Amino acid sequence: DVKVTQSSRYLVKRTGEKVFLECVQDMDHENMFWYRQDPGLGLRLIYFSYDVKMKEKGDIPEGYSVSREKKERFSLILESASTNQTSMYLCASSSPGQGTETQYFGPGTRLLVL
Amino acid sequence: DAKTTQPTSMDCAEGRAANLPCNHSTISGNEYVYWYRQIHSQGPQYIIHGLKNNETNEMASLIITEDRKSSTLILPHATLRDTAVYYCIVRNSGNTPLVFGKGTRLSVIA
Repeated sequence: DVKVTQSSRYLVKRTGEKVFLECVQDMDHENMFWYRQDPGLGLRLIYFSYDVKMKEKGDIPEGYSVSREKKERFSLILESASTNQTSMYLCASSSPGQGTETQYFGPGTRLLVL
Repeated sequence: DAKTTQPTSMDCAEGRAANLPCNHSTISGNEYVYWYRQIHSQGPQYIIHGLKNNETNEMASLIITEDRKSSTLILPHATLRDTAVYYCIVRNSGNTPLVFGKGTRLSVIA
């Protein structure tokens, strides 16, 4: 079974702190994604990566950066956390295919910024 | 990617079939229909996908109309554990991320 793990289920940080959210997948997937989920807004794509050291902006990249130094690990970085970044963060991975790829999601990290 | 339209919420009695509709009237020829679900406090989970033909797996069946403008996800014998938000997504054959809408909140009632 594919496993996508996220470093924390719950996290509390202060405004202005630098925050690292880690995601690791064990299926040698090329593609990795970061989403955030907020009530009434659904899942929104922040950044994604199709290969090591590659990154692409999603729909809401402002205030975030990412790092993909190894194939299995994709990190989301909040350079200076703000209260409007309080959210559920979801990581996913997939292997490229002709329209048939399946995304596998981690359990999510619920981040509270005070 | 084409947009989808789903009802906001539905109820289903435990043990009955749950039929979740999805409209995707602007779907193009190379776009697949995917279904995911998200149980409370968990990440989304893949259910099934299809292009033209009806599909069935151990979780559900997917019925796609002949004109491909709509589809229905069928959970044949809904259980309380099927209570979740169900997302219908259309996606082209390229290597693009999934785009999630608001989905349908299915409540299975004992």
